Amino acid sequence: SAVISQKPSRDICQRGTSLTIQCQVDSQVTMMFWYRQQPGQSLTLIATANQGSEATYESGFVIDKFPISRPNLTFSTLTVSNMSPEDSSIYLCSVVWGRANTEAFFGQGTRLTVV
Amino acid sequence: QKEVEQNSGPLSVPEGAIASLNCTYSDRGSQSFFWYRQYSGKSPELIMSIYSNGDKEDGRFTAQLNKASQYVSLLIRDSQPSDSATYLCAVYANAGKSTFGDGTTLTVKP
Repeated sequence: SAVISQKPSRDICQRGTSLTIQCQVDSQVTMMFWYRQQPGQSLTLIATANQGSEATYESGFVIDKFPISRPNLTFSTLTVSNMSPEDSSIYLCSVVWGRANTEAFFGQGTRLTVV
Repeated sequence: QKEVEQNSGPLSVPEGAIASLNCTYSDRGSQSFFWYRQYSGKSPELIMSIYSNGDKEDGRFTAQLNKASQYVSLLIRDSQPSDSATYLCAVYANAGKSTFGDGTTLTVKP
């Protein structure tokens, strides 16, 4: 499996500001994914980040709020813009590996608290 | 109906017992199924994948799949306190994406 490094691991931010989360993979991968896990809840996919094209967002998530960059096959960033307390969550970077690229592996996560 | 549903939990078992975690899914065409373990404050970790009907064993873990009943389960034998975590069932959808259940929190009491 790939080794995924995500940073920062946690942050406390003021409302109205933005935070950029970085995700570095030790192997080249076609697709990278960004998930959100709100307190006590399961994972919700925000978007798929493909190198060389715009990210594909899931229903309920928009580019203005969660801009994503994918400059190469090993790196991606997710920005949480104009934050509000409702954005307090864990944000997870993920890649797929294994049989037919179906098995998901996750970075360590970024625990974001907006005050 | 949710796409992936799990026992609401929490589930508590004594040390040494068998823990049984259950999951149902709505898409009859699904082919790939996963169990993830998530310790508190950590990210999910893949522990089992299953693709064919029947049982798949890996150490103390056994995944069971019944596509006709749209049912996946995870059995943990000889449960240990270190198995205490939230277990997430996931079903592969398409294009690298999986749908996750809400998770079942397991506590193994010494």
